[in-house]
Formats: sequence, C-alpha cells, structure tokens
Amino acid sequence: AQSVTQPDIHITVSEGASLELRCNYSYGATPYLFWYVQSPGQGLQLLLKYFSGDTLVQGIKGFEAEFKRSQSSFNLRKPSVHWSDAAEYFCAVDFDSGYSTLTFGKGTMLLVSP
Amino acid sequence: KAGVTQTPRYLIKTRGQQVTLSCSPISGHRSVSWYQQTPGQGLQFLFEYFSETQRNKGNFPGRFSGRQFSNSRSEMNVSTLELGDSALYLCASSLALKGATDTQYFGPGTRLTVL
Repeated sequence: AQSVTQPDIHITVSEGASLELRCNYSYGATPYLFWYVQSPGQGLQLLLKYFSGDTLVQGIKGFEAEFKRSQSSFNLRKPSVHWSDAAEYFCAVDFDSGYSTLTFGKGTMLLVSP
Repeated sequence: KAGVTQTPRYLIKTRGQQVTLSCSPISGHRSVSWYQQTPGQGLQFLFEYFSETQRNKGNFPGRFSGRQFSNSRSEMNVSTLELGDSALYLCASSLALKGATDTQYFGPGTRLTVL
C-alpha cells in the first residue's frame, strides 16, 4: 500500500545547529514529493518540491531536501536553524494518481532551544 | 497575486447541524482539493474538484460533500455534524494543467468546532 512515514514526532534542535527531518514513502515508482511547514493555527506553506531531475532541491527559507531512490527517502535539511523555524513540518507525496491528491505523513514538530 | 482564501476562519456549531465552508482558489487555478486535519488522524484528503466535477474522493462518509462553481470557487458541506468533525479544514488549489505535474497551494483553513 502507498504510505508516507515521518518517524520523528518531535525534534528539538539548538538554535544555530543543523537540522534533518526524515521522510520515507512506500511506492513502486518515483512519486512527486513535497515538504510543507505549518505554524500554529495556520495553513500549510510549501517549502520545496521534487518532480524529477537533480535529486538535491533547494527551497525557501534556506531549506533543502535530497531524494534518494534507493532508500525511498526525501529528507529535509537546514544547515543552521533559527528560532523562527519552530513549527510543524509535513512531508507529502503525490502518488501520480492523475488527480491533485496528496498523502501526508503525520508531521514532525520542530522545537528550537536557545 | 492573492493566495487561497477560506471563509469563515472559525466556526462553532452543535451536533446535528450542518455547515458550509467556502474556498476561493488562486486566480487561474482550476483544481480545488479539501483536506481535514485532526490531532489524531493528521491530514486526510476529502475530495478534489476540477471544472465543476468531483474527480477524486477520500474515505469519508456521505455527510461530507462539496461542489465547485464555474469561477473555480468551491464549497464543502458537512451535514448532521458529529463531535468528531471538529477539525481544521484546509483547501488547496492548483493549476491542473493537462499533462503537467501539479503543486498545491493551501489556504489558512477553517477551524470548525462541534459542541
């Protein structure tokens, strides 16, 4: 069955430290991959996406993500975290259904300590 | 260009009532999708509309319905509200160009509380 897994429910990172949020998917082919961020009480903001081509994609706010086909992963990274990055991060996958339909992971809550 | 807008932002209803939520997509976007977000189930796909037709539907009961108008604006309706319908309802729009991979852009959501 098609699924998206974010294994970390919560992550705490010190301000200025690097960050990596994990995302794995289960699918027989390469899907379309997205990372969204949600601040409390807000909607989802698109950080970056991967459709094809270069497996390292750059997004907004200094985020990047790397697609690894062999590991069915699309991990989100940032070299230096700022306090304003504290939010919930969602990995989302379009399994090429032909429709605009996303399957989301359960989310990872990022806490930033001073 | 204005983003996706949703009205109302907050809504309080009682069990058994019905509710209608509205979504205006980004100008030029033809597809509108709806998602329900709850602490227990996370983000779940409700349905997607394109050219006034429902193209895809998630695993929700028939109490959840929607429609899309000729200007791509969409409404979703929930009848006979239950406590478990309390959630943040998110709308997303996309260009839906034929043969092109799509990106969905989300609105701020409508927070529905059922008492």
